[in-house]
Amino acid sequence: AQKVTQAQTEISVVEKEDVTLDCVYETRDTTYYLFWYKQPPSGELVFLIRRNSFDEQNEISGRYSWNFQKSTSSFNFTITASQVVDSAVYFCALSEALGSSNTGKLIFGQGTTLQVKP
Amino acid sequence: DAMVIQNPRYQVTQFGKPVTLSCSQTLNHNVMYWYQQKSSQAPKLLFHYYDKDFNNEADTPDNFQSRRPNTSFCFLDIRSPGLGDAAMYLCATSRVTAVNTEAFFGQGTRLTVV
Repeated sequence: AQKVTQAQTEISVVEKEDVTLDCVYETRDTTYYLFWYKQPPSGELVFLIRRNSFDEQNEISGRYSWNFQKSTSSFNFTITASQVVDSAVYFCALSEALGSSNTGKLIFGQGTTLQVKP
Repeated sequence: DAMVIQNPRYQVTQFGKPVTLSCSQTLNHNVMYWYQQKSSQAPKLLFHYYDKDFNNEADTPDNFQSRRPNTSFCFLDIRSPGLGDAAMYLCATSRVTAVNTEAFFGQGTRLTVV
């Protein structure tokens, strides 16, 4: 069965601190996709990154970086020099990608609420 | 410009009174999803349309139905809303082929049942 675990329910940091959000996943598929979404108080889920299971390269986008390690089934997200505008709920998600079960549906973790204080 | 549009943003309905939420997309994606998100919880998939094929999740109550009259529009019908159906309802789309795109979400409709 597929499952995504975000063990950190809430994290509070002071502006300019670095913060890492953890994500651990379970799947029996060899081909799958991993995602991070940001949900600000307005409610819309904003796409941040997609990673397929064959691409273990880490990625950096501005202050955001992602570390994908298949050996530990983890896909962690780091925000460098956090800002107040980063305050939101962050969801890690998984979707399978092969065969008749390929629907693109997302299995979400429980989310991590990040509060960045000025 | 918004690519997945949900209307209305806020909906108040009476207990037991049918309500319909709407979603439209300009992305021409083949798959449309409806997720339910209750307070402080993760979004939970209710059902999705893969082109015209409707796919219900096993634990989605019969009270929830959906229609997709064409590629661009999808509706969520709640036949007899209960207090427990108060939630944010999120519509999403993606292109699912040999390589999947990410899902694009609308701004959601926050449903209140009184």
